[in-house]
Amino acid sequence: EAQVTQNPRYLITVTGKKLTVTCSQNMNHEYMSWYRQDPGLGLRQIYYSMNVEVTDKGDVPEGYKVSRKEKRNFPLILESPSPNQTSLYFCASSLAGRSEKLFFGSGTQLSVL
Amino acid sequence: QKEVEQNSGPLSVPEGAIASLNCTYSDRGSQSFFWYRQYSGKSPELIMSIYSNGDKEDGRFTAQLNKASQYVSLLIRDSQPSDSATYLCAVNEGDSNYQLIWGAGTKLIIKP
Repeated sequence: EAQVTQNPRYLITVTGKKLTVTCSQNMNHEYMSWYRQDPGLGLRQIYYSMNVEVTDKGDVPEGYKVSRKEKRNFPLILESPSPNQTSLYFCASSLAGRSEKLFFGSGTQLSVL
Repeated sequence: QKEVEQNSGPLSVPEGAIASLNCTYSDRGSQSFFWYRQYSGKSPELIMSIYSNGDKEDGRFTAQLNKASQYVSLLIRDSQPSDSATYLCAVNEGDSNYQLIWGAGTKLIIKP
């Protein structure tokens, strides 16, 4: 089944404790992206990647890191999480760098205490 | 600042009626326009895309685009309770094939 797998689904952590949210797609998509979704603000892009070893900042990259060492994986790293990073996070992928149809993961609800 | 604006709602529509969702955008260079549906607690899923002025129909859904007015809409005919969701409008950045600008979404409630 074609899918984007994102883990964990829920995560509660404390300020400053490094964490990683994993994202993996099995569709051989070149484009991958991370979004955060907050009430009333819609989806805001954190980072995106157009291919292996190619990443770029989105609209809200501060406090986040990403890497794209393999085509299928695009983990999101929070080196020192803070309460303002409490949010719902989505990973997404699409074909050949086009953003036409984004396939989304199931989301990660992160709470930073 | 490039923006996509939607009325946050909630928009309440009786079952069987037509639901009309609207979206305006600021980037005149945008060429691709999308409607995603997001059920509560779930991820967004693409339901319609439109690229040229006019109407595009797919089942009970019709997307309408007016580039001169920078306006895109989604009509849902014969609304069903299962259509109750938040509808996100997304528009590509004019100078990019990769980047989308997202509206905050309109919450639609279909009343039986």
